[in-house]
Amino acid sequence: AQKITQTQPGMFVQEKEAVTLDCTYDTSDPSYGLFWYKQPSSGEMIFLIYQGSYDQQNATEGRYSLNFQKARKSANLVISASQLGDSAMYFCAMWVRGGADGLTFGKGTHLIIQP
Amino acid sequence: ETGVTQSPTHLIKTRGQQVTLRCSSQSGHNTVSWYQQALGQGPQFIFQYYREEENGRGNFPPRFSGLQFPNYSSELNVNALELDDSALYLCASSLGQGGWQFFGPGTRLTVL
Repeated sequence: AQKITQTQPGMFVQEKEAVTLDCTYDTSDPSYGLFWYKQPSSGEMIFLIYQGSYDQQNATEGRYSLNFQKARKSANLVISASQLGDSAMYFCAMWVRGGADGLTFGKGTHLIIQP
Repeated sequence: ETGVTQSPTHLIKTRGQQVTLRCSSQSGHNTVSWYQQALGQGPQFIFQYYREEENGRGNFPPRFSGLQFPNYSSELNVNALELDDSALYLCASSLGQGGWQFFGPGTRLTVL
């Protein structure tokens, strides 16, 4: 079975600082993908970034980057130059080839950006 | 916006009733997945439909059922509602079974 662990229930960060959200995963399948989603209070899950298990380089999307350390089974999200609009819940999720085809999510991290 | 729509936005039901939630997938996407997100938790996978067939299922009882239509829209049906079914129900569409999933705004169900 697959598992995602997010150990930071909540984080407070000053505006314009960089922030790292932790995610560790567990799977025995060699082929998998890792996702980060942002969920504002409105409820919609907004896709941020994706990393495939065979990707050689860390994924980047604008201010978002994924620090993928395969041997440690970690996939931390880094947000550079945080903005007030970054305040939201952040979820790490995993898809495994050969699984039930759904995403397995962590419990999330509530990020609050302070002015 | 993703182009995935869900209806209704909010719904209140009483225990024992039945409910149907609807989802329209993003243009070009042929796969729909449904998730239940209880308050303070991450989403839990209910099931996935690919080309009108249930393709995979999470740990949910049979009273959670679904349909996918030829236009790839989908319904989630829940029978014999229980208080613990109160949650945000999210629909996600993708191109293919392993494709990136893009979520709709969700339906918030309250069971009294």
